[in-house]
Amino acid sequence: SQQGEEDPQALSIQEGENATMNCSYKTSINNLQWYRQNSGRGLVHLILIRSNEREKHSGRLRVTLDTSKKSSSLLITASRAADTASYFCATDSGGSYIPTFGRGTSLIVHP
Amino acid sequence: GAGVSQSPSNKVTEKGKDVELRCDPISGHTALYWYRQSLGQGLEFLIYFQGNSAPDKSGLPSDRFSAERTGGSVSTLTIQRTQQEDSAVYLCASSRLAGSGELFFGEGSRLTVL
Repeated sequence: SQQGEEDPQALSIQEGENATMNCSYKTSINNLQWYRQNSGRGLVHLILIRSNEREKHSGRLRVTLDTSKKSSSLLITASRAADTASYFCATDSGGSYIPTFGRGTSLIVHP
Repeated sequence: GAGVSQSPSNKVTEKGKDVELRCDPISGHTALYWYRQSLGQGLEFLIYFQGNSAPDKSGLPSDRFSAERTGGSVSTLTIQRTQQEDSAVYLCASSRLAGSGELFFGEGSRLTVL
């Protein structure tokens, strides 16, 4: 079963625009992570936010977490064509150390 | 090598044959995970190893699937009597410690069952 669900399923923007992806989950979490996957490749870790944190930044990435709404958002500012990829959120809950992944958001950035 | 290594990168087999997929995690990483990704889908958890503890096999879809991890390092995922619905990319990941957060993924093994 999937804990996190990303929204939208697909996003198409122009280079320079901001991209926002959302992740909703069902049960209380310990951590929420965002990963990126280029076509035909493995996943690459982007950022981890803990349940007691509300916002984290890494370069052009900004992640927010709202535990009251059980949701997170990933913002990519000033997008580039190289940001074209699928983005997944992953959550772990309770005593489980097994991250559960959503179906992902497919982002296309047009040059 | 510096990263997680998986082999083979591609495997085409006939229905009913057995296949073995290998994962070589990052040296020193105690946690190892197997996931399956079908076309356009998210990652489906299969099995998790942590140190010398008994593995968490709760994600294995049937008894045709098994995995082992020898010496706390290399892991092999075995699928017996393959079916067409087993076609997917099998991804292996490792992390330094369970619960440490970041998973490091291999490039995956793409399995096609004809």
